[in-house]
Amino acid sequence: EDQVTQSPEALRLQEGESSSLNCSYTVSGLRGLFWYRQDPGKGPEFLFTLYSAGEEKEKERLKATLTKKESFLHITAPKPEDSATYLCAVRIQGAQKLVFGQGTRLTINP
Amino acid sequence: DTEVTQTPKHLVMGMTNKKSLKCEQHMGHRAMYWYKQKAKKPPELMFVYSYEKLSINESVPSRFSPECPNSSLLNLHLHALQPEDSALYLCASSPLWLAGGQQFFGPGTRLTVL
Repeated sequence: EDQVTQSPEALRLQEGESSSLNCSYTVSGLRGLFWYRQDPGKGPEFLFTLYSAGEEKEKERLKATLTKKESFLHITAPKPEDSATYLCAVRIQGAQKLVFGQGTRLTINP
Repeated sequence: DTEVTQTPKHLVMGMTNKKSLKCEQHMGHRAMYWYKQKAKKPPELMFVYSYEKLSINESVPSRFSPECPNSSLLNLHLHALQPEDSALYLCASSPLWLAGGQQFFGPGTRLTVL
């Protein structure tokens, strides 16, 4: 069965403390992995798309990487405004929809 | 214009009411989606429209009725809802449905059913 698992479920960091969020997937054929950021009560905001193992994308303090089994979202020197839920979603070959992970709730304390 | 707009932002309705949610995009996208999201859960797909035709209905109860009047507009008609239908309803769009690519989400409508 196709599955997407994010860890940890919640992460609390101090401002400036770098860390990584994990998205592991077990799918029959990956056609794209997407990272979104979601603030409370708002819609998900698109961050990155990754299509093949070895691919990396960067935006400000965020860097997304992809292997054949998982993706990491690295956050470098985070600020309180980076606090949000980060969602990972995959599009599977032959599937007609995105499969979302449960998300990681990230809190950055000043 | 690179955004998806949704109205209203908040909606409170009784179980006998009829209401509608509206979604609009002007990015020329030909695929539009309705999602339902409960607290601390990921979005759950409800419907997919591709070229204004309903392509996916994820076994959604008939008290939710989608409509796509044109390529820029998506409605969700609500009737005889239950309290457990209270959630954040998200609209999204993407350039094409089956070709992949990211989906762009609207800000959502927070629905409360009394």
